[in-house]
Amino acid sequence: QKEVEQNSGPLSVPEGAIASLNCTYSDRGSQSFFWYRQYSGKSPELIMFIYSNGDKEDGRFTAQLNKASQYVSLLIRDSQPSDSATYLCAVFLSGGYQKVTFGIGTKLQVIP
Amino acid sequence: DVKVTQSSRYLVKRTGEKVFLECVQDMDHENMFWYRQDPGLGLRLIYFSYDVKMKEKGDIPEGYSVSREKKERFSLILESASTNQTSMYLCASTTGPTNYGYTFGSGTRLTVV
Repeated sequence: QKEVEQNSGPLSVPEGAIASLNCTYSDRGSQSFFWYRQYSGKSPELIMFIYSNGDKEDGRFTAQLNKASQYVSLLIRDSQPSDSATYLCAVFLSGGYQKVTFGIGTKLQVIP
Repeated sequence: DVKVTQSSRYLVKRTGEKVFLECVQDMDHENMFWYRQDPGLGLRLIYFSYDVKMKEKGDIPEGYSVSREKKERFSLILESASTNQTSMYLCASTTGPTNYGYTFGSGTRLTVV
């Protein structure tokens, strides 16, 4: 089982709709969870992070964390064509070997 | 604006060459990382460093080495480039524990022919 799993997509949503991106992780000791956005040909940029169970909102973005289910999601409200990108889920594992593990990313296409 | 700068955007090297990829950050970050990104495989950690002159192997260190002589600079070295090292290489840095998210450089697209 991969440490961080995402559906590679593409996920297509119409402009103005809610895009829902999902991620599961295998290590119950995971402490911090990140969402990065990566436009084609560019490097990833951090858009959200979450540490505690529940929801965290920032503008049109909401990160949701459920540690019991080992599930983290990103909701994008009022999706815009400029949101079309690959979204990477990343998980920080505490312990002797501290590292962040990335999923392969979900490609989101927002259709005008 | 904080920055992580990678010296080259595109590189073409020949098989067997020794290749140096440079990364400099101006944020006084302790932690620096080298990843490679390949389609279908995502980001994979090659090496990382938590302090000057300190280095740790990541998940795929074979064929690579690193150098960190100064806090702001972290270099990735391909000892003898091979075609399977053709990839996008991304440098990242973060402050303190690795739970504040990374700042990435713009990446180096390396092609080994």
